Order: sequence, then C-alpha cells, then structure tokens
Amino acid sequence: GAGVSQSPSNKVTEKGKDVELRCDPISGHTALYWYRQSLGQGLEFLIYFQGNSAPDKSGLPSDRFSAERTGGSVSTLTIQRTQQEDSAVYLCASSLAESSYNEQFFGPGTRLTVL
Amino acid sequence: GDSVTQMEGPVTLSEEAFLTINCTYTATGYPSLFWYVQYPGEGLQLLLKATKADDKGSNKGFEATYRKETTSFHLEKGSVQVSDSAVYFCALGSSYKLIFGSGTRLLVRP
Repeated sequence: GAGVSQSPSNKVTEKGKDVELRCDPISGHTALYWYRQSLGQGLEFLIYFQGNSAPDKSGLPSDRFSAERTGGSVSTLTIQRTQQEDSAVYLCASSLAESSYNEQFFGPGTRLTVL
Repeated sequence: GDSVTQMEGPVTLSEEAFLTINCTYTATGYPSLFWYVQYPGEGLQLLLKATKADDKGSNKGFEATYRKETTSFHLEKGSVQVSDSAVYFCALGSSYKLIFGSGTRLLVRP
C-alpha cells in the first residue's frame, strides 16, 4: 500500500516568508508525528496528533511554528516568518496508534532551505 | 529526560567485515528500543526493534539485544555489504514519541 507522502520534496524560501509543509499519512493510521532533522540538532520531535485529542506541541521550537490535522488525516506544518535556522529536513511519520511499541512509518521528508 | 547516545561516525569498513555500532540510553521505565536506517536519498526505515529486556531484534542480518543492566542496544552484523552503507539511528520510545541518537554513518568499501 501507499506509504507516508510529503510535499513539496524541496522548498526554498526567503527569510521572513511563511511556508506550509504537507503530510499524507498511511490510511488508517490514527497517530501522526512531525520531526525535524538538522545538522546541528539531529532528529528532534516537533508535534504529535492522535485522533481527536489535543495535539502535543511540546517540541515546537517557537510560536512561529504551528500544525493542524484536518479530518484526522492530512496534516499541515506552517512556519511563519522563516529564519535561516529553520533550514532542515522536516519529516512526517504515522503509526497505527499512540504507543511506544508501534512502528512509526516515515515519509521522505521536505527539505526546507531559508535564504 | 530520556536520551540516546550512539557512537560517532563515520564508520568505514571493508566488505564482509564485522560491524558494531554502540548505543546506550537513559530513560525512566522500560522503553521500547529501535534501530532506524536511512539509505542515501531515502527516508527513515525501521530496521529492527525490541520491546523488553533481553529481547533480540533482528532483520537483514542485523541484530541488537535489549540489555537493561547496561542500558544498551548495540547494533551488530557479522558480514557487511556495500549495500549496507547508510546512516543508522538508535531510538527509544518515550511514551508515544521517538527520541533519536545523533546517527552513525556507515561506509562499506568493496
């Protein structure tokens, strides 16, 4: 079946602009996660959605970052007023349920470059 | 808080050599442990996992044993191939999210 898909695959933007990154999880997966992979920070958790519960936003680095998940499926990560330190690969993952036992399936990522 | 420490890379080996990539963790409770692999130009893939102490995860010739007494989950393979060249990430499941190590790049030369 189809895996996790993300778009765009690459995004180049100018400092100060807003960007939206999209994630389509695997059908039937109720849990959705965003991570960021950067040279300086490695792989870090950003935000987590599970069903209709309030998301866990504890990993978002600043209030310029926000995310939503519509209809329990597609998710959008928005970064406002982008800064150069936001340059990274943004990874989305999904899993069947919220559990540390469940495998998270990762998308190919969106490479964001802020000039 | 929970954390994962893995050996710095890059690790360069000749084909058919023995591989060990060290991983240790700090966590409250008994987390699940994972090894993920990222091949060049591809996304993260689960390589293997273990959910409790003394469990051994294995896949594609790779193995790792959950050692509670040493808080370790070292990755091993008896004979590496050029196609194993990739970045390997050790991770632990902290409630629902994954906490990753910094990654170890493996380069296997023919």
